[in-house]
Amino acid sequence: NAGVTQTPKFQVLKTGQSMTLQCAQDMNHEYMSWYRQDPGMGLRLIHYSVGAGITDQGEVPNGYNVSRSTTEDFPLRLLSAAPSQTSVYFCASGGVRDSYGYTFGSGTRLTVV
Amino acid sequence: QQQVKQSPQSLIVQKGGISIINCAYENTAFDYFPWYQQFPGKGPALLIAIRPDVSEKKEGRFTISFNKSAKQFSLHIMDSQPGDSATYFCAASNNAGNMLTFGGGTRLMVKP
Repeated sequence: NAGVTQTPKFQVLKTGQSMTLQCAQDMNHEYMSWYRQDPGMGLRLIHYSVGAGITDQGEVPNGYNVSRSTTEDFPLRLLSAAPSQTSVYFCASGGVRDSYGYTFGSGTRLTVV
Repeated sequence: QQQVKQSPQSLIVQKGGISIINCAYENTAFDYFPWYQQFPGKGPALLIAIRPDVSEKKEGRFTISFNKSAKQFSLHIMDSQPGDSATYFCAASNNAGNMLTFGGGTRLMVKP
């Protein structure tokens, strides 16, 4: 039971670099989301998808892009990394079958210097 | 705009005691209210969830109480154990279930 797999677990970027955080789920969930977690601020929604080919913005989308070409994968792209994007990023998936109970990945800790 | 407010930010409870964490929401369109538990270095894990058609849901030592008119819900952990020490998040979503809005989190420490 892999659940939700995120890679990499840790990453250090220089300001201005771009990168893609990978997320894959094997539960055939319709919904996938990306959150960032910062101290004292809980989890904030970046982007989400309700199915392949459909994405939408969450609370803090600026500086990030997503796409959903398959049900299983939902990568998050940082276009030009900034120190303000230093955070822990979580991918989650959920669906009607599981009564919308979201399963989270183990996270990617990103540091932008 | 913080749509889900959670309190307290931190909580210390003696082993065997009751831990109580409260949340309040603003959006009346919310109709799914889960609680997540997070251990250091791990992702949040679904603990228990409730929909507004019931006022209470119990699973083992964990109980959600829901007050629709006050737009508040709470998590009660009975007979708290040191293994319950973690950060707890309340959340809410609309009936489509595609966007979870989280509270700020409560760091619980259960002292032996």
